[in-house]
Amino acid sequence: GAGVSQSPSNKVTEKGKDVELRCDPISGHTALYWYRQRLGQGLEFLIYFQGNSAPDKSGLPSDRFSAERTGESVSTLTIQRTQQEDSAVYLCASSPNKETQYFGPGTRLLVL
Amino acid sequence: RKEVEQDPGPFNVPEGATVAFNCTYSNSASQSFFWYRQDCRKEPKLLMSVYSSGNEDGRFTAQLNRASQYISLLIRDSKLSDSATYLCVAKGSTGANNLFFGTGTRLTVIP
Repeated sequence: GAGVSQSPSNKVTEKGKDVELRCDPISGHTALYWYRQRLGQGLEFLIYFQGNSAPDKSGLPSDRFSAERTGESVSTLTIQRTQQEDSAVYLCASSPNKETQYFGPGTRLLVL
Repeated sequence: RKEVEQDPGPFNVPEGATVAFNCTYSNSASQSFFWYRQDCRKEPKLLMSVYSSGNEDGRFTAQLNRASQYISLLIRDSKLSDSATYLCVAKGSTGANNLFFGTGTRLTVIP
C-alpha cells in the first residue's frame, strides 16, 4: 500500500523567504510527527498531531516554525523567514499507535 | 544529557562477523524501545521492537536491560546489505507523545 509521502523532495530557498513542506500520512494513521535531521545528526522532534487533539509543539525550535493538520489527513510545516541553520532534512512520520513510526522520504531544505 | 546515547562508530566488520551495538537511555520511566535502520540519504525504517524478555528476528537479536538502562542489538553473520546506520529509540513514559532517537551507529560490512 501507499506509504508516507512528502513534497517537495528538495527545496532550495534564499534566507528570509518562507517555505511550506507537505506530508501525506498513511491512510488511517491517527498520529503524525515532524522531525528535523541536520547533516550527520540524529532526529530532532518538532511537533506531534493526534487526531483532533491539540498538537504537541514542544519541539519547535522557534516561533518561525508552525505546522497544521486537518483531521487525520495532510499536514504542512511552515518555516517563516528561513535562516541558514534551518537547512536540514525534514522528515514526517505517521503511526497507527504512537509507537511504530512510518517515515516519509523527507524534504531536503537548503537555505542559501 | 541526551535522552538516548549511542556510540557513533563507525564499525567496520568483515562479512560473516558478529557485531553488537549498545545504547543507553536516561529516562527510567521510558516504556518502549526500538531499533531503526537508516540507509544513506534515506528515511529511517523500523528494524525491530525491543522487549524486556529480549527478542530475535533471524540474524538480529535485541535485548533490554532496565536496571542499567541500556539496549543492545546483535547482528550475526553480517551481510553486505546490513551496512547502514542503526538508530536506538526510546519512547517516554506512558502518555508521552514522541520518540527519542539516538544519533545512530554507523555499520559498514566489508567483503
